[in-house]
Amino acid sequence: RKEVEQDPGPFNVPEGATVAFNCTYSNSASQSFFWYRQDCRKEPKLLMSVYSSGNEDGRFTAQLNRASQYISLLIRDSKLSDSATYLCVVENSGGYQKVTFGTGTKLQVIP
Amino acid sequence: DAGVTQSPTHLIKTRGQQVTLRCSPKSGHDTVSWYQQALGQGPQFIFQYYEEEERQRGNFPDRFSGHQFPNYSSELNVNALLLGDSALYLCASTFSASMETQYFGPGTRLLVL
Repeated sequence: RKEVEQDPGPFNVPEGATVAFNCTYSNSASQSFFWYRQDCRKEPKLLMSVYSSGNEDGRFTAQLNRASQYISLLIRDSKLSDSATYLCVVENSGGYQKVTFGTGTKLQVIP
Repeated sequence: DAGVTQSPTHLIKTRGQQVTLRCSPKSGHDTVSWYQQALGQGPQFIFQYYEEEERQRGNFPDRFSGHQFPNYSSELNVNALLLGDSALYLCASTFSASMETQYFGPGTRLLVL
């Protein structure tokens, strides 16, 4: 089983739609969780951290479910500019960071 | 305040050659990590440098080596290049005493022919 698994997609959604991505992780001792966004041929950029209590940033909501070992990202009112690959990241801080990326989920928002 | 910078941006090599990639961390950062991202994949952790020492390593062969300098900049060296080494090589930096996540540079795109 991969340490971090994501559905690669692509998810093709119309503008204004709500879309959700899930990501599962295998190490129950994982401590920190993030969603990164990566545009085509660019570097990954932090979208948001994911906390146990859940967190929201505008149209984006991230949730963590430790019991089931998954994190989710919800995007409401999708914009064309949301088209990108969304990478799930899990960090295990055993004295120092061990960072594992998922393969990414590709989102295409269609006019 | 400059972010993470990498050089060169693009590179073409042939099989068997050696390559050196360079990274300057974000100002105030002391820890540098290197990742390999093949087409259609997520970044794969190569290794991390802190205080000029490799302190963690991913599942990469010894052909991949690195170095960190006193100014916290870093180099990634790959010997005996294989076609499969063609990828985007990303450098990321962070500050060891901080809980913030890492910042990525724009990457070096390596093509091995």
